[in-house]
Amino acid sequence: SAVISQKPSRDICQRGTSLTIQCQVDSQVTMMFWYRQQPGQSLTLIATANQGSEATYESGFVIDKFPISRPNLTFSTLTVSNMSPEDSSIYLCSVEGGPTDTQYFGPGTRLTVL
Amino acid sequence: AQSVTQLGSHVSVSEGALVLLRCNYSSSVPPYLFWYVQYPNQGLQLLLKYTTGATLVKGINGFEAEFKKSETSFHLTKPSAHMSDAAEYFCAVSDGYSTLTFGKGTMLLVSP
Repeated sequence: SAVISQKPSRDICQRGTSLTIQCQVDSQVTMMFWYRQQPGQSLTLIATANQGSEATYESGFVIDKFPISRPNLTFSTLTVSNMSPEDSSIYLCSVEGGPTDTQYFGPGTRLTVL
Repeated sequence: AQSVTQLGSHVSVSEGALVLLRCNYSSSVPPYLFWYVQYPNQGLQLLLKYTTGATLVKGINGFEAEFKKSETSFHLTKPSAHMSDAAEYFCAVSDGYSTLTFGKGTMLLVSP
């Protein structure tokens, strides 16, 4: 399985600011995913990021709010823009490991917006 | 469309007792099924998965799950709970198009 790291591990931000979260994988992967886990909730997919193409966003998530970059096969960033307290969540990146849709997750970024 | 239902947001067991976490799914195609565990302040770790073949799947830390197509279930079990098993457990389903749908999670509480 892939080893995935995320930066920062946690942050406290002010309303109206933006935060960029980095996801680094120790091997080349085609598909990377970004999830949000709101307090006490399950995971919700924000978008799928393939290298060399635009990210594909799920219903309820838009590029202006959550711009994603995927510059190469081992790295991706998610920006949470113009933050409000409702954006306080854990943000997780994951990568697909093989043809059976298995995903491996990073440790998550815990975001608190004041 | 696919969906996952986990019965019980919290399950409490005594150390040494049987662990049973329930998961039912719906999928229009033969599914891939997964159990993940999330320890406090950590990301998700893959416990086990069912893709094809043997319906009884063994995972890490002594957990196993059985795929029952007739019951559309994929319940997670462990014969003897340990204090270190206390965590949140998520069942997930995929229809083969790389999108995972997660259940709401079950918090396992283990008492001494």
